This record gives sequence, C-alpha cells and structure tokens, in this order.
Amino acid sequence: DTAVSQTPKYLVTQMGNDKSIKCEQNLGHDTMYWYKQDSKKFLKIMFSYNNKELIINETVPNRFSPKSPDKAHLNLHINSLELGDSAVYFCASSPSGTGATGELFFGEGSRLTVL
Amino acid sequence: QKEVEQNSGPLSVPEGAIASLNCTYSDRVSQSFFWYRQYSGKSPELIMSIYSNGDKEDGRFTAQLNKASQYVSLLIRDSQPSDSATYLCAVNKGSSNTGKLIFGQGTTLQVKP
Repeated sequence: DTAVSQTPKYLVTQMGNDKSIKCEQNLGHDTMYWYKQDSKKFLKIMFSYNNKELIINETVPNRFSPKSPDKAHLNLHINSLELGDSAVYFCASSPSGTGATGELFFGEGSRLTVL
Repeated sequence: QKEVEQNSGPLSVPEGAIASLNCTYSDRVSQSFFWYRQYSGKSPELIMSIYSNGDKEDGRFTAQLNKASQYVSLLIRDSQPSDSATYLCAVNKGSSNTGKLIFGQGTTLQVKP
C-alpha cells in the first residue's frame, strides 16, 4: 500500500488549460502539504492543511487553489496554466506539523509539463 | 539572500571516502534542522535530524550543527555508489503545529567506484 499517493504522475498540457492533481494519504496524519520542485531541484512549499484547515499559504498565484475534502485528501487545481508552472509537484503529509520531527512523507510527485 | 543555502555541486568523491555536505541558514531563531536524500526521479526521504549544537551520528552519517555560525553539515563516511543522490538541507520555521520546512536547493553527490 502506497502511503502517500498522487495522481496523475505525469501531465502534459497546453498553456491556458486547467488541470488538477489529487493526493491521498493512508497514514492517519493530520497535516498535508503541496510542494513545488523546479528544474533546479529547488523544493518550495506552496500550501499546508491541518485537519482540513488551511494553515500555510505561501506567495502563490491565485490560479492555484488547494482543496481538502477530508484530512486524508488534498487536491490542487491550477487554472490558466503558464509555461512557468512546469515543475514536479509533491504532496506530503506529517503527523502534526513539522516542528517535532521534521519528517515529511512525500508522494511520488506529479510532473507537469506546460507547452 | 536565500533562507537556506547549499552548494549545488556536483560533489564528486571516490568510493570509500568521506563526503562533506554543507548548508547555511539565515533565520537565527530556527531550532530544527534536517537532511533529506533524493534519488534522481524519486521523492525526498528524511535521513537525519539535529536540534542542538554538536554532532549526531547515525551509522555512516554524522550531522553537525553550529547555531552561532548558522551552519549545518552532513558527513557521509565510507561513501558508496548507492549514496549518489541529491542531499537537501531543510530548516523548520515557526511553531510546532504550523511550522514549515524550508529547503535548500540541494547538493548533488556523485560517488565514483
């Protein structure tokens, strides 16, 4: 059983389209995250939810909208895709924030390519 | 200035040597520090954490922290080709429940047989 699973693993789409990435964790964790990793491997936090409540919202264009229907799921919807959105998007979870152990459990990543 | 800085490398060492990876951070109030390993095409995984000044050893890995110098390092002894990966330094900011991990850009390590 995959602990943190994301779908789809690969997306190739045209500029201006809208796309969604789904994430599910079966670890029973309270906190989930979206991170973006660019071509230079720089991993940057985008959003964090704790038990369905948004707690971290970095400076991300409002074309990106996360949704957490329950604490095991965190989805990411992106409107009007731009070339600069091309990256690998990682979903992650942790038991309760990252202060105690710093351990994030990452999904396999979703590679988005915008043409 | 980036919040967490690493030399992107690549750092190349021969098999059996000690690999030394370095990281500096800008926020003096940071309390928790971590090293993640990421193999090419895979997701990051936590390999070491350190919270107080000094050294922390786990097998072939030693993390070192110097809060006065705002410096964290990772030493890998007896490096193996399987250690070839990108090593990401991460610093926790904020309180326990709302803290967020800030990552450096990673150092690529190549261990040559």
